[in-house]
Amino acid sequence: DIQLTQSPSFLSASVGDRVTITCRPSQDTASFLAWYQQKPGKAPKLLIYAASTLESGVPSRFSGSESGAEFTLTISSLQPEDSATYFCQQLNVYPFTFGPGTKVEIK
Amino acid sequence: EVQLVESGGGLVQPGGSLRLSCAATGFPFSAYALHWVRQAPGKGLEHISGITNNGDFTFYADSVKDRFTISRDNSKSTVYLQLGSLRTEDTATYYCTRLNTQYCTAARCFASFWFDPWGQGTPVIVSS
Repeated sequence: DIQLTQSPSFLSASVGDRVTITCRPSQDTASFLAWYQQKPGKAPKLLIYAASTLESGVPSRFSGSESGAEFTLTISSLQPEDSATYFCQQLNVYPFTFGPGTKVEIK
Repeated sequence: EVQLVESGGGLVQPGGSLRLSCAATGFPFSAYALHWVRQAPGKGLEHISGITNNGDFTFYADSVKDRFTISRDNSKSTVYLQLGSLRTEDTATYYCTRLNTQYCTAARCFASFWFDPWGQGTPVIVSS
């Protein structure tokens, strides 16, 4: 299985801060990588697919990028409603594994 | 509105069985592969099973292989997950989700894969 390493596992930031989460796969995933946001008791919500394509309706402060073997989710200006856990997922090889998650807390 | 609604979860004893259902509305069901993802309490997401649009190919994670069976009824726009030989470690919320396979710009279409939408989840508790 492809392992996804996410970092950090937890971060605490202030409203308006720029936040970056990284995801590093153990093998090539092409650009078949997605990012999801999950709030407690809720299903995951798609934010980004194809590494950098913003899902319709998702605020433009969210962006995804790819550099070499590393993928990045950036929140350009953190908002209170962004408090959640964020997961990356590779969809290149079965099983479509997820990263362990990054919990984002608002200071 | 594109929607997936799971049902069938509940409390079951170890070794028992359960059938989960996922009813879809708002999109051409027979055109899409459907998948199941589970999440144990306080844990991460685990992709456990999937089925192609016409049911000719199925996927199972090693953790559920030979115990779970995925199927679909395109006439009812419903996908099922039959859970068998249940273990305490199968305790989780089970989500169904649709696999998307391409997106298009004004110029062209691109192949890619992502899960969206997701159902609200149905909880399965395996306990004696």
